[in-house]
Amino acid sequence: RKEVEQDPGPFNVPEGATVAFNCTYSNSASQSFFWYRQDCRKEPKLLMSVYSSGNEDGRFTAQLNRASQYISLLIRDSKLSDSATYLCAVNMANFNKFYFGSGTKLNVKP
Amino acid sequence: DGGITQSPKYLFRKEGQNVTLSCEQNLNHDAMYWYRQDPGQGLRLIYYSQIVNDFQKGDIAEGYSVSREKKESFPLTVTSAQKNPTAFYLCASSLAGREEQFFGPGTRLTVL
Repeated sequence: RKEVEQDPGPFNVPEGATVAFNCTYSNSASQSFFWYRQDCRKEPKLLMSVYSSGNEDGRFTAQLNRASQYISLLIRDSKLSDSATYLCAVNMANFNKFYFGSGTKLNVKP
Repeated sequence: DGGITQSPKYLFRKEGQNVTLSCEQNLNHDAMYWYRQDPGQGLRLIYYSQIVNDFQKGDIAEGYSVSREKKESFPLTVTSAQKNPTAFYLCASSLAGREEQFFGPGTRLTVL
């Protein structure tokens, strides 16, 4: 079983839609969680951290479900510019080693 | 401007040659990382370094080597022992004690 798993998609949604992705992780001792955005042929860029209490930044909301071992990313009012691949990253306690998911591709259509 | 730089952006190599990819950061980060990304796959950790003059193997270290002689620099050598080196190579760094990693723009290596 992979350490971190994501639905590869693609998720094809119209502008203005709300879309949500999940990312499951295998190690219950994982302590830190992040969402990254990666545009085609570019480097990943940090989108947001995922805290136990959840995290909201504008149209983006990230949540953690420790009992079911997954994190989620919700995007409201989707824009064309949101089209990208979204990677989740999970690391172990007290250790700067990350595991990345393979990414979920989002296509926002006019 | 603070950030992470990688060079070259594109690199072509003949089979049997060693090549070295550069990674430099001026963020004063202690930890640095090398990842490999293949099409449709996530990032796989090659090597990482928490401090100068120390580094550890990641999940796919075979055929690669690194050095960390300076805090700012973490070069990766792709040796001829790496069986399938064509990939997108990403360098990242993070503050010791913090966990967000920040990435350089990457190097696309193609073996001819």
